[in-house]
Amino acid sequence: ETGVTQSPTHLIKTRGQQVTLRCSSQSGHNTVSWYQQALGQGPQFIFQYYREEENGRGNFPPRFSGLQFPNYSSELNVNALELDDSALYLCASSPREGQGGEKLFFGSGTQLSVL
Amino acid sequence: AQSVSQHNHHVILSEAASLELGCNYSYGGTVNLFWYVQYPGQHLQLLLKYFSGDPLVKGIKGFEAEFIKSKFSFNLRKPSVQWSDTAEYFCAVNAGDSSASKIIFGSGTRLSIRP
Repeated sequence: ETGVTQSPTHLIKTRGQQVTLRCSSQSGHNTVSWYQQALGQGPQFIFQYYREEENGRGNFPPRFSGLQFPNYSSELNVNALELDDSALYLCASSPREGQGGEKLFFGSGTQLSVL
Repeated sequence: AQSVSQHNHHVILSEAASLELGCNYSYGGTVNLFWYVQYPGQHLQLLLKYFSGDPLVKGIKGFEAEFIKSKFSFNLRKPSVQWSDTAEYFCAVNAGDSSASKIIFGSGTRLSIRP
């Protein structure tokens, strides 16, 4: 176990709806990254939060947004859901040891299905 | 932009066979390199990482990887695999000169070990 918890584990939504996914980081970690993993693919970087601010973003549209709270937990929000948003969403926390490349501790993910 | 290529989608080996999984990355600057593993039903976890120094890196469970800068490669090796090595393996890269921990993953290689 990594100490990174995500909720919910599974979610079914319809196209056009909005969804919020939650992540609690491992104790002592102040950086949270979100990844999208489509079936048969590797995780794709969505964005990272460090001390409540976005600190790097991948090639995802603005309808993917996030928050980080003072206790370092985080949310991923997706508006106007599309069918292609169906995927496993992974949260990973890491201690901020300086410049990039820290070891990531992953949660088990939220499986989102968009119908 | 950084990218990672894993040459094999699915590798099938017998127990005690030697393993080498290929990984190539594209990025012209300093890189941090990783191999992550996902065992069936478990979360992604770090197998080994390269930041600097000796290009031959040893990880957990007898795995090692060699960074060859001239070939932009970071292949994973194990001299003798076990049934318990059945898992999905992901190579990943981070731009070492970036202040953001944006880690880019390859599409993964599924390893199946015949007992």
